[in-house]
Amino acid sequence: EDQVTQSPEALRLQEGESSSLNCSYTVSGLRGLFWYRQDPGKGPEFLFTLYSAGEEKEKERLKATLTKKESFLHITAPKPEDSATYLCAVQASGGSYIPTFGRGTSLIVHP
Amino acid sequence: GAVVSQHPSRVICKSGTSVKIECRSLDFQATTMFWYRQFPKKSLMLMATSNEGSKATYEQGVEKDKFLINHASLTLSTLTVTSAHPEDSSFYICSARGRDIGGTEAFFGQGTRLTVV
Repeated sequence: EDQVTQSPEALRLQEGESSSLNCSYTVSGLRGLFWYRQDPGKGPEFLFTLYSAGEEKEKERLKATLTKKESFLHITAPKPEDSATYLCAVQASGGSYIPTFGRGTSLIVHP
Repeated sequence: GAVVSQHPSRVICKSGTSVKIECRSLDFQATTMFWYRQFPKKSLMLMATSNEGSKATYEQGVEKDKFLINHASLTLSTLTVTSAHPEDSSFYICSARGRDIGGTEAFFGQGTRLTVV
């Protein structure tokens, strides 16, 4: 069974204080690993897809990396507007495209 | 690109009535749509997966007669909550993936807050 574990569950940072969110996964064969951002009362917003170990993707202050066992979402010099819940999901290779989601990391960035 | 529009964003209905939620892919053909339910401060709970032109596949424990899903076209899926009860109050979110948008990721709608009174 595919599993996704995100840590920490919650993270408080000061504005400008860089940090990383972790997503550990077990999957029979990885088709893709996804990162989403979710604001309260909204649907998740797609950020990145990573397909293979060693791959990295960046968008503004966010950088996602992937190994064979985990992914990190690095947040450089965060701003209060980066406050949100960040969700990680994996999609196994094979016929189904159903993603398995982690519980998310709730990030609060204080000004 | 890859915009998914979900309506309504909020709905209040009386106990015993039915409510329909629409999910549309605006700029791509959605070969697969997913319907989720999310409880406060919890992650997404997959309810069902629907592929265009075929019946939805429901997750274990989800009543298919209560949560009717229709995926009649490549751009529209609907979720109808039938005979709604207060315990059906929740945040419902759809997502869609398609064949012509590059990757295998799914894109989410804005969500629908359902309150049954």
